Amino acid sequence: EAGVVQSPRYKIIEKKQPVAFWCNPISGHNTLYWYLQNLGQGPELLIRYENEEAVDDSQLPKDRFSAERLKGVDSTLKIQPAELGDSAVYLCASSHGTANTGELFFGEGSRLTVL
Amino acid sequence: KQEVTQIPAALSVPEGENLVLNCSFTDSAIYNLQWFRQDPGKGLTSLLLIQSSQREQTSGRLNASLDKSSGRSTLYIAASQPGDSATYLCAAPNSGNTPLVFGKGTRLSVIA
Repeated sequence: EAGVVQSPRYKIIEKKQPVAFWCNPISGHNTLYWYLQNLGQGPELLIRYENEEAVDDSQLPKDRFSAERLKGVDSTLKIQPAELGDSAVYLCASSHGTANTGELFFGEGSRLTVL
Repeated sequence: KQEVTQIPAALSVPEGENLVLNCSFTDSAIYNLQWFRQDPGKGLTSLLLIQSSQREQTSGRLNASLDKSSGRSTLYIAASQPGDSATYLCAAPNSGNTPLVFGKGTRLSVIA
């Protein structure tokens, strides 16, 4: 069974440029998460989808970050414009069932460097 | 709001030693707790998921326990190997139907 797939694995951009990350969850997993991980820290939730609906986006900086999960499968996370402080690893995860009961499975992450 | 703390932040042990990693959480009204492993530059790999009705879970040389009343979980690794070197993170949800809150992890080094 294929795991959570993310792309690109690495991205280097200059500040003020846009960037987008893509995630394909495990087949059949209705809940999808985007987490941000800074060096030496645990992941922090940005947004959670249950099917097509964003049910928790309270930690998403909406002035520059946006996300979508059309058709309830793949998801895209966008940053526009990127700032130096956005340099981090962006992790996508998926689970079967609700946020509180499903085991989380993570992708390899997308490492963003903003110069 | 749930807060998850992991102690120690780093641990170095000789190969073959049994070891315990600690995780504490502030809100004991959790539905489950999950332990993960993260290798450098990689994503997180799920190790064990303990439901609130369970006291422990075992997978190979790994055993995770959960004590909700005291807000603690431990990950026991038996007969450690150099390949166990990684960062181990625990995560617990906020109360209610909310996703996992992570600790900062314990960075484990097993020396051959």
